[in-house]
Formats: sequence, C-alpha cells, structure tokens
Amino acid sequence: NAGVTQTPKFRVLKTGQSMTLLCAQDMNHEYMYWYRQDPGMGLRLIHYSVGEGTTAKGEVPDGYNVSRLKKQNFLLGLESAAPSQTSVYFCASSYPSNEKLFFGSGTQLSVL
Amino acid sequence: KQEVTQIPAALSVPEGENLVLNCSFTDSAIYNLQWFRQDPGKGLTSLLLIQSSQREQTSGRLNASLDKSSGRSTLYIAASQPGDSATYLCAGRGGGGKLIFGQGTELSVKP
Repeated sequence: NAGVTQTPKFRVLKTGQSMTLLCAQDMNHEYMYWYRQDPGMGLRLIHYSVGEGTTAKGEVPDGYNVSRLKKQNFLLGLESAAPSQTSVYFCASSYPSNEKLFFGSGTQLSVL
Repeated sequence: KQEVTQIPAALSVPEGENLVLNCSFTDSAIYNLQWFRQDPGKGLTSLLLIQSSQREQTSGRLNASLDKSSGRSTLYIAASQPGDSATYLCAGRGGGGKLIFGQGTELSVKP
C-alpha cells in the first residue's frame, strides 16, 4: 500500500517552460488536493477535486491547471512557469471532506 | 474568512518534559480540526482529527483538545522524546469544506 505518490520529487524549470506534476493514490479516496508550501506563508490550497472528472479552485489557483480524469490520479499543470511558482508542492487525498488527509512526500520545484 | 494561528513559531524543550502546542482559529463554525507532523523535507502526517462534536482525541502520548467557543485547540505531548522533534501544524476545516493551515510550531526536544 503506497498511499499518496508524487512524481517528480525535484524539478528545475526555466521561466516560461511548462510541466505537469503527477499525484497518484491507491486508497480509493474521493477527494484530492494540491497545496503549495512557502516559508512564512504556510500551506495554501491551489486546486482540489471531490471526485473523478471534477475540479475546483482553491486559495491560489492562478497560473495552474488541474485534471482528474481517473479517480486515483490528480495532475497539476504549469503552462508557463514563473519564478513566483518556486515552491514545494504537496498532493493530498481523503475520503469525504471531514476525514483526515494523507499527504505525498512533496515536489520541490525551482523556476529560474 | 477562517484564519488559523499557531504560537509560538518555535519551541525547544529538554527530553522528558510535557508540553502544549497552541492553535487558534477565527471562525467557530468549524467542522473539524487536524494536527499534523512534518519532518524536514517530508510530507505531512496526520496525528489526530477532532470533529466539531468532539472535545478531544488521544493517541499514545498525544492528546488534542478542541474548544470551539474560544476558538482554540491544543496538542499535548507527554514525556517528550528527541524523536518528537518536528514541525507541528494544525488545520481547521470550515465553511465550504476548505482546510486552512496554521504556519506551524517547530519543536526541538533536546536529549
């Protein structure tokens, strides 16, 4: 039972490049989330999904897109990376929204 | 808008001491509150989840309480050990279902 798996673990991009972060969970969770964690800012919700085929905006959605084509996968895309998107990105999943969250180990992204 | 605050930002204690970490939130219409542990370079691990109808939850040496009327939650760690050193975050789930995190308390337990 792997839990929540994020790939890649590290990535360096140049400004304007695009990339996709993949999150996979094997716990049959309905809810999935993407957070970013920045020093002094805490964890902030980017986008989330309450089920296959659904997505919704969080606190800081600008510059990101997401897709949930399969229940077990939640993809986070950066179409044109900016230095302000340098951060550690975490994916999480849960059963219905009032249950505890399970987190992946994070992706450290640097945009130069 | 829900805001979650954790004070202090950092705490250092000697091994064996009992300690309390504090979390305050502004919106009393909270569905649940979770405490997480984060080790350096790692993801978050959920420690305890308190539903709005509950007053406290216990797991081993950890006890978390929730007082909605005062907008406060505490995490009590008994007989602290060096392995407890980590950053502890609380997160409240309010209206709309969004989970709002505090900025964490970095705990260091000295041998």
